[in-house]
Amino acid sequence: DSGVTQTPKHLITATGQRVTLRCSPRSGDLSVYWYQQSLDQGLQFLIQYYNGEERAKGNILERFSAQQFPDLHSELNLSSLELGDSALYFCASSTPQGSLNTEAFFGQGTRLTVV
Amino acid sequence: DAKTTQPPSMDCAEGRAANLPCNHSTISGNEYVYWYRQIHSQGPQYIIHGLKNNETNEMASLIITEDRKSSTLILPHATLRDTAVYYCIVRPGGGSQGNLIFGKGTKLSVKP
Repeated sequence: DSGVTQTPKHLITATGQRVTLRCSPRSGDLSVYWYQQSLDQGLQFLIQYYNGEERAKGNILERFSAQQFPDLHSELNLSSLELGDSALYFCASSTPQGSLNTEAFFGQGTRLTVV
Repeated sequence: DAKTTQPPSMDCAEGRAANLPCNHSTISGNEYVYWYRQIHSQGPQYIIHGLKNNETNEMASLIITEDRKSSTLILPHATLRDTAVYYCIVRPGGGSQGNLIFGKGTKLSVKP
């Protein structure tokens, strides 16, 4: 158990819909990262938040957005869903306050299926 | 793009050492070598990382060549549960360890 909790574990929705994925980081971790893993693209970094602020952006579509709340949990919002958005979405956390050079811990992912 | 090159697949007999190579010929002086693994669609799991010295923990050993252009992850006594995709990643040290660029990794199959 990495200590990172993602909900829901599975999600099935129709094209055009909007969904919200939730991530609770490990206790004390300030950074949250979102990754997408599809069969043809592998693991792709989407976005990072640090203590409530956006820190880095990867290959995140404009239809996708994220935020980190004061309690440090994060949500990834996916809208106008397309069949190609079907993938595993992972959240990771790292950087306990005062530490450097720590590893990232990944949650077990949310499997999104768009039909 | 990933800055590392790994063989796409490897086999290892259960109980034997698994040696997974990684080439990172363009590594910079401030970049670390990280290893993660992913077991069948589970979340990636951190294994080990190093800068230039060899490192060992309870899971594995990391051997980095003197010129730092390649490294080898060693699982000393592989078990069936070590069957996974292993990713070698190069990234700067310091904060933000989660911003990782994954390549295709090496699919390790441990066989009885």
